[in-house]
Amino acid sequence: ETGVTQSPTHLIKTRGQQVTLRCSSQSGHNTVSWYQQALGQGPQFIFQYYREEENGRGNFPPRFSGLQFPNYSSELNVNALELDDSALYLCASSLDRLPHEQYFGPGTRLTVT
Amino acid sequence: GNSVTQMEGPVTLSEEAFLTINCTYTATGYPSLFWYVQYPGEGLQLLLKATKADDKGSNKGFEATYRKETTSFHLEKGSVQVSDSAVYFCALDRNQFYFGTGTSLTVIP
Repeated sequence: ETGVTQSPTHLIKTRGQQVTLRCSSQSGHNTVSWYQQALGQGPQFIFQYYREEENGRGNFPPRFSGLQFPNYSSELNVNALELDDSALYLCASSLDRLPHEQYFGPGTRLTVT
Repeated sequence: GNSVTQMEGPVTLSEEAFLTINCTYTATGYPSLFWYVQYPGEGLQLLLKATKADDKGSNKGFEATYRKETTSFHLEKGSVQVSDSAVYFCALDRNQFYFGTGTSLTVIP
């Protein structure tokens, strides 16, 4: 059984650019949630995908968007990057939207300069 | 609205000391409550959970009791080890997850 993996590990982008982060869910899981964790803060919920459909969204602007693929892997896209987007982005996978069984990946560290 | 408040860190303890990390919450309805732990360079791991009032979650010597009357879910461990050094997050689930800001724990030999 493979765990949740994320790529890339680290990323440096310039303000105004666009970025795509990737997440492979744990085997057998059909739900992926994305979180933003700023330095010294707790994770903030961005959105969740269940069976390729968005299934809930936190307080993030539309320039944060996502996709889930038939194999349940997922992408997080952020357009028009701002300095405040610098953070650790975590994805978590679970089965059938059950949050207490969600497993987190190691995260992608995004730095916007 | 929904939110979680954790005690400020960092916390430094000697090995075998007693640990308490305070967590209080504000929520509509009756959320499930969780403690997650984050070791350096890793993602979050579920430590324990409680889904209704008076439930006690426990794992690896850690315990927390869901107290509806005080809206609290304090984390305790009777004897900490160096390997417990990590950041601990309290969280609630109310249609989405709400995390506290985290409490950094360092245990010294």
